[in-house]
Amino acid sequence: EILLTQSPATLSLSPGERATLSCRASQSVSSFLAWYQQKPGQAPRLLIYDSSNRATGIPARFSGSGSGTDFTLTISSLEPEDFAVYYCQQRRNWPPVVTFGGGTKVEIK
Amino acid sequence: QVQLQQWGAGLLKPSETLSLTCAVDGGSLRGFYWSWIRQPPGKGLEWIAEINHGGTTNYNPSLQSRVTMSLDTSKSLFSLNLTSVTAADTAVYYCARGLFGRYYYDSGTTPSYYYMDVWGKGTTVTVSS
Repeated sequence: EILLTQSPATLSLSPGERATLSCRASQSVSSFLAWYQQKPGQAPRLLIYDSSNRATGIPARFSGSGSGTDFTLTISSLEPEDFAVYYCQQRRNWPPVVTFGGGTKVEIK
Repeated sequence: QVQLQQWGAGLLKPSETLSLTCAVDGGSLRGFYWSWIRQPPGKGLEWIAEINHGGTTNYNPSLQSRVTMSLDTSKSLFSLNLTSVTAADTAVYYCARGLFGRYYYDSGTTPSYYYMDVWGKGTTVTVSS
């Protein structure tokens, strides 16, 4: 089973600051990673797919990078609406299992 | 624009069966994987199961003995059954559309991709005696 470890668990930042979120896989797999944003009381929303492609309607301040076992989500300059919980996700090819990281909460400092 | 409308019983007693249904509005079941994901109160996301248009299912190993997914292509909907529920199954349950595929590069590498681009609003399920 692939485990996804996100760090830090909580990130306390001010609007305008840069946020760097990490997602580390327990083993290298030949598959891309996705990132989701979730706000309280809402369903998750796809932010990044294929490790670095922004989903439709996602602002350019969000970017994803990485491969193998180490992946990063960067928010270049935090807007008030960006304070939320972020999850990474990957799918093992065989047997197929979808895994989410434990999440990183980006909170207002 | 594709939307997922989900429904099901919100209050169950221990040992009962959880049943949820998700209807796909504005799109086809074909070409996608359809998943259920849950989120216990104050916790993270847990994938439960998925099914594709052909009826192929994949389950989370930790829940496999209690989970069944099915789909009705004529009505564009898919369903989840989770048997013998306990308080640990209390969660918000989401349905979602998943895109899965593989890239083929000249280098010979063939990485796969999978992401969930459309989500239902969630159904709160509480298990309590």
